[in-house]
Amino acid sequence: QKEVEQNSGPLSVPEGAIASLNCTYSDRGSQSFFWYRQYSGKSPELIMFIYSNGDKEDGRFTAQLNKASQYVSLLIRDSQPSDSATYLCAVLYNQGGKLIFGQGTELSVKP
Amino acid sequence: DTGVSQNPRHKITKRGQNVTFRCDPISEHNRLYWYRQTLGQGPEFLTYFQNEAQLEKSRLLSDRFSAERPKGSFSTLEIQRTEQGDSAMYLCASSSIAGKSPLHFGNGTRLTVT
Repeated sequence: QKEVEQNSGPLSVPEGAIASLNCTYSDRGSQSFFWYRQYSGKSPELIMFIYSNGDKEDGRFTAQLNKASQYVSLLIRDSQPSDSATYLCAVLYNQGGKLIFGQGTELSVKP
Repeated sequence: DTGVSQNPRHKITKRGQNVTFRCDPISEHNRLYWYRQTLGQGPEFLTYFQNEAQLEKSRLLSDRFSAERPKGSFSTLEIQRTEQGDSAMYLCASSSIAGKSPLHFGNGTRLTVT
């Protein structure tokens, strides 16, 4: 089992729709979870982080965490073509040590 | 805050040669990470430092790879006797404190081994 798993996609949604990106992780002791966006040929940039169970909203983005199910998701409302990128889920392991990334989900927002 | 800086941006080398990359983290950050990323994959953890101490190194990392952070500031990643399979983007990231602080990435060094 991979430490952090994501559907590789591509996930295609029409402009204005909600995009839903999912991630599962294997370490029950993990406390910190991050979503990064990566455009082609660029380095990852932080979108959101979440530490507590439930939802966290920031503009058009909502992160959801369920530690019992070892599941974290990212919702993008009113998706725009500029949101087209690869979204990386990352989990902080060893209570503050290394950050482990999933393989990323490619999102394509069609005008 | 000038961000994380990596040099060079691109490196082309012949198989068997040694290469060295440099990373300058955000100045107040005490943690520094190295990752490797190939096309279609997420960043793969290589190693990380807290100040000058190397706290963890990936079990998957060959002995040909070595990293240093001699004074707890910049870091270097050296690959000896490069192989074609080493071709990848090498990413450096830094963070301010242990625990929950997010990582900030540099622009990466793209290595091509011919």
